[in-house]
Amino acid sequence: DTAVSQTPKYLVTQMGNDKSIKCEQNLGHDTMYWYKQDSKKFLKIMFSYNNKELIINETVPNRFSPKSPDKAHLNLHINSLELGDSAVYFCASSQDLGGGETQYFGPGTRLLVL
Amino acid sequence: GQNIDQPTEMTATEGAIVQINCTYQTSGFNGLFWYQQHAGEAPTFLSYNVLDGLEEKGRFSSFLSRSKGYSYLLLKELQMKDSASYLCAVNNFNKFYFGSGTKLNVKP
Repeated sequence: DTAVSQTPKYLVTQMGNDKSIKCEQNLGHDTMYWYKQDSKKFLKIMFSYNNKELIINETVPNRFSPKSPDKAHLNLHINSLELGDSAVYFCASSQDLGGGETQYFGPGTRLLVL
Repeated sequence: GQNIDQPTEMTATEGAIVQINCTYQTSGFNGLFWYQQHAGEAPTFLSYNVLDGLEEKGRFSSFLSRSKGYSYLLLKELQMKDSASYLCAVNNFNKFYFGSGTKLNVKP
């Protein structure tokens, strides 16, 4: 069984469109994250949620809106897509917040904005 | 700001030992992680250090010196499947800051 799953795996869309990426974890973890990995392979944290509450909201354009309907799900909606949004988006989860918590990553969603 | 530096790329021979270094400057520190990421795949956890010293896990070891803001990942008995990117990440008050990763090429 996949621990952290994301859909879709690939997303190709036009500039200006609105799209959503879904993430689910079946590990029973309390904390979930969204990361963006750009072409230079930097992984940058975007958001984290703990028990459905937003904990971290990095400097991300407000076109990006996360939603956590329950502890096991964290979705990412992106409005008015721009060329610079092209990247791989990874969802991750950890048991809890805290320094020693290992993160488990989903397979990634490869977004290409044309 | 937060700064994490790793070499961009390294090459080593199958069966050899390789050390991948990571230096960091962050406003806080709650631990340092190493992740492995094969091309086109998700990062997977390798090791965690929060206290100074060496942590050994099979063929992989990780070292931390908090006073120097320095860590390394040591891979022994290299195998072809170890060809991947290795990401250093610092946890700073529930935020994870990742380096850009070191791409390791293992040659026969």
